[in-house]
Amino acid sequence: EPEVTQTPSHQVTQMGQEVILRCVPISNHLYFYWYRQILGQKVEFLVSFYNNEISEKSEIFDDQFSVERPDGSNFTLKIRSTKLEDSAMYFCASKLGGTGAFGEGSWLTVV
Amino acid sequence: GIQVEQSPPDLILQEGANSTLRCNFSDSVNNLQWFHQNPWGQLINLFYIPSGTKQNGRLSATTVATERYSLLYISSSQTTDSGVYFCAVGPNDYKLSFGAGTTVTVRA
Repeated sequence: EPEVTQTPSHQVTQMGQEVILRCVPISNHLYFYWYRQILGQKVEFLVSFYNNEISEKSEIFDDQFSVERPDGSNFTLKIRSTKLEDSAMYFCASKLGGTGAFGEGSWLTVV
Repeated sequence: GIQVEQSPPDLILQEGANSTLRCNFSDSVNNLQWFHQNPWGQLINLFYIPSGTKQNGRLSATTVATERYSLLYISSSQTTDSGVYFCAVGPNDYKLSFGAGTTVTVRA
């Protein structure tokens, strides 16, 4: 069964460093998303991407964040200058119609 | 944004028991999904159910869109059912708002 894959599974980074989280969505999906979950809290929407542009973004998704689909397969989330409060699990998701799929998550620890 | 409330927040079950989890939402939605987050943090999509009833093995779900709630039923629970169950809703395909989840612990 096709699945959404994310890399890295875990990354530790110094505060102020740039981080790129990578996702390979399911190949025929059209909608792509990033969500995050701070430890012990609920999953929060960050951004959705459709037709090669951002379709919606949350207040969390400020100028420090950007997304890109650099080729036909990858979907990336960049955090330009990480802060301690960016420590969280980041989930990529993709969907075609109603049913979507989430990746296994990338756990980011900022120290 | 759409508010999502899940109840109960915690549920402890004996193996073999049945349970019902509830999700209330504050506005009309075109997208409603139930997820299970296992102890390793993986989010598993259980149901896409903006309306109606669906069943998958021991799990079933019902959404009454006109009354803005959804129910997830777990029958004959097993220890592998432990984890956090999230309801997530959205007005469209672009965004999901998650509830705070129900933490289910199934004891052998």
